[in-house]
Order: sequence, then C-alpha cells, then structure tokens
Amino acid sequence: DAGVIQSPRHEVTEMGQEVTLRCKPISGHDYLFWYRQTMMRGLELLIYFNNNVPIDDSGMPEDRFSAKMPNASFSTLKIQPSEPRDSAVYFCASSPGTGSHEQYFGPGTRLTVT
Amino acid sequence: AQKITQTQPGMFVQEKEAVTLDCTYDTSDQSYGLFWYKQPSSGEMIFLIYQGSYDEQNATEGRYSLNFQKARKSANLVISASQLGDSAMYFCAMREIHTGGFKTIFGAGTRLFVKA
Repeated sequence: DAGVIQSPRHEVTEMGQEVTLRCKPISGHDYLFWYRQTMMRGLELLIYFNNNVPIDDSGMPEDRFSAKMPNASFSTLKIQPSEPRDSAVYFCASSPGTGSHEQYFGPGTRLTVT
Repeated sequence: AQKITQTQPGMFVQEKEAVTLDCTYDTSDQSYGLFWYKQPSSGEMIFLIYQGSYDEQNATEGRYSLNFQKARKSANLVISASQLGDSAMYFCAMREIHTGGFKTIFGAGTRLFVKA
C-alpha cells in the first residue's frame, strides 16, 4: 500500500501569492494531520481531521491559513496571501485511529516564500 | 509549560554500542500515549515505538526499547547495537487521550550521530 502522498515536494513562491499544498492519506485511515516544521519552532500541529471533519484547528496560525478535506482521500492546506515567515516544511500525516494511534507521515512539502 | 522535554540537542555514539535518548513529559491526564519518531536527513518522519500509560511492560521493537518510568515521567529511547543508519533526529511525542484527543505534541528532538 502506498504511504501518505504529498504534493508538491518543493514550492517556491513570492510573497502575497496563494499556495496550496495537497495530501492523500493512507487508504482506510480515519485521521489526517497537518504539521509545520521550522528550526525555530520545531514540529507544530496545525489542524487535524477525523472522518473528513476538522476537530482541532487551534494550531492554525491565522486567517491566512485554511485547510479542507472534501473526501477521505484528499486534503488541502492553503495559505493566502503567503508571507516569508511561512517558509517551512509542511507535513501531512494520517492515522488509523485504532491501536496505538501512531501517525504515518508524508515526505513533506518544503515551502519557500521570497 | 513545556509538555515534552528532550534535553540532549546532540548525541554521539560509537557504532555497535547502545545509546539512550532522554525524554521527560508533563501531563495531568491519567491516560496518555508516548511515541518516538525518527527523522533521517532525507526528511521523512518514521514511527519507531509506542508506550501506553497503562502498559506495565516497557515497549520493545527490534533494536528499539522504551524505558518507561511513570513516576519520574520519563520515556527514554534505548537503541541497542547502533548502526550508521541510525544517524538522524529523534523526536519524543505525547498524546493526552482524555484532554487532548488525537493531538500529539512533539519535543524539540535529539540529533544522534553514529561514529564508525
């Protein structure tokens, strides 16, 4: 079975532009998580979904960030407008929601906002 | 208050030796889970091992074991017989089951260097 798929792997954009990051979770996993990783702040949870419903978005930095999960196999994280301080690696992860609830991470999207 | 503390920013270990990576946590939840993840230089996050707060035995997964000391709120990762491929960042994480739902909090990480 394929792991978590994220696209694009790298994104370079100019300040003010809209950025959309995409994620396909592992089939059958009920939970999906979006994280941001920076040197300064480490790995931060932005939002997570259960059965396509957002459960906790308290980590979303501000209104410029939004996330959707229209179906069980697809989620997006959108930043509009983007700013240089948004530069980070963004990870998507999914979890089966049973057992130990470990998370399976995608390869990440490295975002650079100039 | 910091919920997960990893006090070792970097660690060195000789190949084939064992190494312990420290992790302490803070929670008032009686039911919680503790995780360790590995992040190689390629960037992906890899799940290694899990310990539930009610598990009486220390978790083991191959060369990885978790030294769980509940009263001290520590969950140290022990890697036996280190290999060059173990060089990576290691993150300790916690999920507070009653108070946090499925939210998982990560520590700052420890970078492990395995020397040949």
